[in-house]
Amino acid sequence: GAVVSQHPSWVICKSGTSVKIECRSLDFQATTMFWYRQFPKQSLMLMATSNEGSKATYEQGVEKDKFLINHASLTLSTLTVTSAHPEDSSFYICSAGGTSTSYNEQFFGPGTRLTVL
Amino acid sequence: DQQVKQNSPSLSVQEGRISILNCDYTNSMFDYFLWYKKYPAEGPTFLISISSIKDKNEDGRFTVFLNKSAKHLSLHIVPSQPGDSAVYFCAASITGNQFYFGTGTSLTVIP
Repeated sequence: GAVVSQHPSWVICKSGTSVKIECRSLDFQATTMFWYRQFPKQSLMLMATSNEGSKATYEQGVEKDKFLINHASLTLSTLTVTSAHPEDSSFYICSAGGTSTSYNEQFFGPGTRLTVL
Repeated sequence: DQQVKQNSPSLSVQEGRISILNCDYTNSMFDYFLWYKKYPAEGPTFLISISSIKDKNEDGRFTVFLNKSAKHLSLHIVPSQPGDSAVYFCAASITGNQFYFGTGTSLTVIP
């Protein structure tokens, strides 16, 4: 089955620093990847849609200058949290839909837990 | 390798009938399981969860069953309503640190 990996799985950083999270589709090409943030009551919030070779589409209320998304290849999308603050501490999850998968099929990464001190 | 699997990409059910969505997992260390519902163009929303110490959890029309020996969980929706039409993802976690998601099952409830 298709596998999506995320790196790192857990990161702790100081306030004001930037953190990059990678999302990789290991055995398929993903033209579209999605970035989610998980809130305390366990709902996932879609942050942005990342399209290979073009700018990401951000959901309303998500600061594009703070959450930089790059989808430079068909197997890699990165989310950079710039000037992180404690309120950015959360669980970030990516998912990918490949060109060969059905429209509704999404392969999720295991998530990255970010803790900002 | 996919640790959480939803082998049925789609399911169609008549309104008023029961919808049963299935999920299988391979890692016996998973201790928490969740179901998410996703509408098109929206992020998944949490639906119901179950701890590994239980075998059933019920919330209104939604019931999740866990069979640890078979490494299988299922979501029952009864009665099914047209508004339930969405994609449903199951997810599994080890102590809440990482979540492994299935690939989703698209449910269509036919009026």
